Parts: sequence; C-alpha cells; structure tokens
Amino acid sequence: GENVEQHPSTLSVQEGDSAVIKCTYSDSASNYFPWYKQELGKGPQLIIDIRSNVGEKKDQRIAVTLNKTAKHFSLHITETQPEDSAVYFCAAPDPAGTASKLTFGTGTRLQVTL
Amino acid sequence: NAGVTQTPKFRVLKTGQSMTLLCAQDMNHEYMYWYRQDPGMGLRLIHYSVGEGTTAKGEVPDGYNVSRLKKQNFLLGLESAAPSQTSVYFCASREARGPNLYNEQFFGPGTRLTVL
Repeated sequence: GENVEQHPSTLSVQEGDSAVIKCTYSDSASNYFPWYKQELGKGPQLIIDIRSNVGEKKDQRIAVTLNKTAKHFSLHITETQPEDSAVYFCAAPDPAGTASKLTFGTGTRLQVTL
Repeated sequence: NAGVTQTPKFRVLKTGQSMTLLCAQDMNHEYMYWYRQDPGMGLRLIHYSVGEGTTAKGEVPDGYNVSRLKKQNFLLGLESAAPSQTSVYFCASREARGPNLYNEQFFGPGTRLTVL
C-alpha cells in the first residue's frame, strides 16, 4: 500500500507570512493528491487537490505543487490569516485498490499568530 | 442537504461494553469509509464499503465490524470495547466515478469515544 509522510508536524507563522507543508509518497503509480483542512471540533474538508498530469494548481491564496520524479507534493498558503489556523492533512490514493482508498499523512498543526 | 451525519457525538464506554456508531449520508454516494483519528497518527482507515451490501477491511480493522444494509447508512460496531479504541471516529462518503477516478471525500463531524 501507499506510505505518506508529512512534515512539519507543527508550524507557527505570523499573520501575512507564507506557510509550506510538505508530503512524500511511496507508490509511483499514485496520480491524485488532495489536501484536507480540519478545524477544531470538525471533520476534515477538502481545500485543494492535484492530479498527476499537472505540476501546480492555485486557488486564491493556496497552491499545491507536485514533483512526480521526487514523489513529493507541497501545500503553499500565502498571506496567512488567523482563520488559516487548523490541522492540514495530505493524502495519496492506493492505486491497487478499487475503492479509491486514501492514505493520509500524520497532519500539520498550523498556527497563525497576530 | 445535511451531508454526512454521525451519531452519537460523544460516548463513554466501559471495557467490554459494545456499541454501534451510525453514519448517514444524503448525497446518494456509493462509497463510504470509517476512519479513526489519534494524536500524531493522522486518519487511519478501519473499514470501507463500495456499495450497499458490501464491506471491506482497511488498515486497522481488528476489533471492529461494519454493515451497509442501506446505501445511505454505514454502521461501525465495537463488540467488546478496549481502552485502545479510545479515539475520534470519522465517517466519510464519496461519489463513485470508477476505480481510479478520485474525487472528494465528504467527512462527518466525528464521534469522540472514550473507553475506560
């Protein structure tokens, strides 16, 4: 199955600064890489995803980059705001399965300070 | 639409007791999943279902059973709870688009379970 590693486990940035979270995966056949945001007391929610036919995808202040050769992908948040404080999870699918199972990273707790 | 709902929100059990967690979705999704979330370990898949009447084991299935008798419901059972099952449990669902066509998983709000 897929193995996903995520770093850092915690990240503290000042409001307005950028934040970068990195993940690596093991299965070269993986072709879909989502990022989920989990606010306190809630379930995770998809914020952005990327498929293997593109190297970068942007949505306002967030972007994801993918390096298939190195098998890593990153989440970039620019101009951070207090509401960006949350736990972020990367994930990669199990290409061998039929149910599109996802393997999640261990999460990054982002804190945006004023 | 309510999306994905989970009941109960909180529960405290004693070791050896049994209980069932209910997940319901109103989006007509084929696929449903049960995860557990523990500090520093992310979300780990317990069991999943690709359609009504089907279930399969995930990464950490021991001590749990599931049933999918109706398309909109996915039940997670603990027959004899153990302290190691203290966790936050999340249900998720997604639309089926084919074996390798991935799309968003929609998560419920979670059930916080404590086993004493």
